[in-house]
Amino acid sequence: AQKITQTQPGMFVQEKEAVTLDCTYDTSDPSYGLFWYKQPSSGEMIFLIYQGSYDQQNATEGRYSLNFQKARKSANLVISASQLGDSAMYFCAMSARPNAGGTSYGKLTFGQGTILTVHP
Amino acid sequence: NAGVTQTPKFRILKIGQSMTLQCTQDMNHNYMYWYRQDPGMGLKLIYYSVGAGITDKGEVPNGYNVSRSTTEDFPLRLELAAPSQTSVYFCASSRERGRPQFFGPGTRLTVL
Repeated sequence: AQKITQTQPGMFVQEKEAVTLDCTYDTSDPSYGLFWYKQPSSGEMIFLIYQGSYDQQNATEGRYSLNFQKARKSANLVISASQLGDSAMYFCAMSARPNAGGTSYGKLTFGQGTILTVHP
Repeated sequence: NAGVTQTPKFRILKIGQSMTLQCTQDMNHNYMYWYRQDPGMGLKLIYYSVGAGITDKGEVPNGYNVSRSTTEDFPLRLELAAPSQTSVYFCASSRERGRPQFFGPGTRLTVL
């Protein structure tokens, strides 16, 4: 079974500063993917960044980077130079990869989410 | 490309009514999923499909049904709506298992 834990119900950051959103995970799958999604108040789910469990380098996408520490089973999201439009709910999620076996068929397991508020 | 589209955006049902939530993707993805999101929570998987003609249950399938006759379409059927089915429903698709899933805009359903 997979489990995602996000321990920060809410985070505040000043505009233009960096912020780290925490995510720890637990899985018995040998190969898996880790994801971050953004959900603004409008409700849509926006894919931000992906990290494969065997990727050697941490993923980056523009102002987003994923601090992947496999031994600690953590996959924290770092947002640099925060903007007012970054205010939203952020979900960490994971999924088994194709060579993991089993029958999870790519189901995403989500954490409870962290509400990020960016102050001007 | 439109990505993943869902209709309707909003719907109010009376207890016992039925409806179909439509989902279409134009990315030629084999994997498609239906999730529901209850207030303040993450998403839970209802049903998934790994290709046309192949579907299976997720974590919370009771009260729902699906079909997948084409690669593009993955409709979700609610039979005998109940207040517990009040939720936001998201359809998603993925190129392969374990890769990023791309979501539709969601359908907000209220059952009264």
